[in-house]
Amino acid sequence: QVQLVQSGAEVKKPGASVKVSCKASGYTFTSYGISWVRQAPGQGLEWMGWISAYNGNTNYAQKLQGRVTMTTDTSTSTAYMELRSLRSDDTAVYYCARIGGASIDYWGQGTLVTVSS
Amino acid sequence: QSALTQPASVSGSPGQSITISCTGTSSDVGGYNYVSWYQQHPGKAPKLMIYDVSNRPSGVSNRFSGSKSGNTASLTISGLQAEDEADYYCSSYTSSSTWGFGGGTKLTVL
Repeated sequence: QVQLVQSGAEVKKPGASVKVSCKASGYTFTSYGISWVRQAPGQGLEWMGWISAYNGNTNYAQKLQGRVTMTTDTSTSTAYMELRSLRSDDTAVYYCARIGGASIDYWGQGTLVTVSS
Repeated sequence: QSALTQPASVSGSPGQSITISCTGTSSDVGGYNYVSWYQQHPGKAPKLMIYDVSNRPSGVSNRFSGSKSGNTASLTISGLQAEDEADYYCSSYTSSSTWGFGGGTKLTVL
């Protein structure tokens, strides 16, 4: 069965960086893309970007351009999302999710990132 | 500001049917048959309920159905059950090779 297992919760200070991992299993990693979506406390879902696990091509949400980098390690079927210059409004649960066709189908369990001084 | 517009809340009694709308533009909902719907219970990850406008993944109840007309997609839940109470989000692929989400709709089962 398809599983996406994310790394644990993080607490960061403003201005720092965070890197969240997402280990995939149960499918051929390089045949699908990985999208990252975040959800601030009590708020809706916000699409952050996606990466092709086949060739590493990326497309990021305009508001995060320059602060976010998405990568993959095909040897371990793991995707990574790094967010830099953290601000308090980056506090959110960060999800990785598989892109199947043109839909986001399977989701990770989420990683809480708290930005606080 | 969300890319797609959903009502903030809807409600219905057990056994009734409800419909949640999701309005976009010709650059997303209206331009592609790539609308998805997600159910999210508190503290849980979203779950895919409908993809490609009207297709149900394996294991999703046939009480859930999707449709689209022009720039507006809809999710209908028939035979409402208490377990359907959750937040629902629509999503669409866009002409910029990105995805957009609706702001979410809170479904209350009375």
